[in-house]
Amino acid sequence: DAKTTQPPSMDCAEGRAANLPCNHSTISGNEYVYWYRQIHSQGPQYIIHGLKNNETNEMASLIITEDRKSSTLILPHATLRDTAVYYCIVRAPGTGNQFYFGTGTSLTVIP
Amino acid sequence: DTAVSQTPKYLVTQMGNDKSIKCEQNLGHDTMYWYKQDSKKFLKIMFSYNNKELIINETVPNRFSPKSPDKAHLNLHINSLELGDSAVYFCASSQGQTRKNFGPGTRLTVL
Repeated sequence: DAKTTQPPSMDCAEGRAANLPCNHSTISGNEYVYWYRQIHSQGPQYIIHGLKNNETNEMASLIITEDRKSSTLILPHATLRDTAVYYCIVRAPGTGNQFYFGTGTSLTVIP
Repeated sequence: DTAVSQTPKYLVTQMGNDKSIKCEQNLGHDTMYWYKQDSKKFLKIMFSYNNKELIINETVPNRFSPKSPDKAHLNLHINSLELGDSAVYFCASSQGQTRKNFGPGTRLTVL
C-alpha cells in the first residue's frame, strides 16, 4: 500500500469547512483513497473513498488531484462532534486486508 | 441499531489468564475481522474470516484463536495472556473487500 502523509493536527471553527489534506505521491493506478475517522475511544468510522473522480456523500466530499498524488477531505460545516483523528489510507482492492492507519490528523473543532 | 457490537468494552485481567472477546454484526456481511490497535494507534489486522472460513491469519501468536460459529459472529479467544497483549481490539465486518464497519473496541489491560 502507498504511504500517506498528513499533518498531525488541525483546528477548525464550528460551522466552517474543515479541509484535511493528504499526500500519497507513490499511489498506484489501481489504489483507492479511503478516509476513516476515529473519535476518542470509539472504533474507526468509514467516511468516504474514491479512485480518481471527486466524491461526495452525506458526511463529506473527497477531492483528488488530477495526478492523484494528493487529496483533500472536506467536511462542509464542521460540528463539535467532528472532533476526531482522521486517517487517509490508500490501498488496492483484493490486496488483502492490512489497514495501516498511520498517525492521521487530529482535528479539533472549536466552538 | 448497533451494526457491529463487541463485548466486553473493558477487560482487565492478570497475566496467564485465558479470556474471550465476542463480536456480532447485524449487517449481513460475509467477512469479519479482528484488528489490534496498540499504544501508537497503529491498527493491524489479526484475522479475517469469510463465510466462517479463515482467510487471513497474520503473524499472530497461536495463543490467539478466532472462532466463528456463524457468519454473524467472530469471537476471539486468548490463552495465557501476556503484558504485551494489552491493547484495544476492534472487530469489523465488510461485504467483500469494500468499506469496513468497525465495532466500538475492547480495551484489554493485562496486569
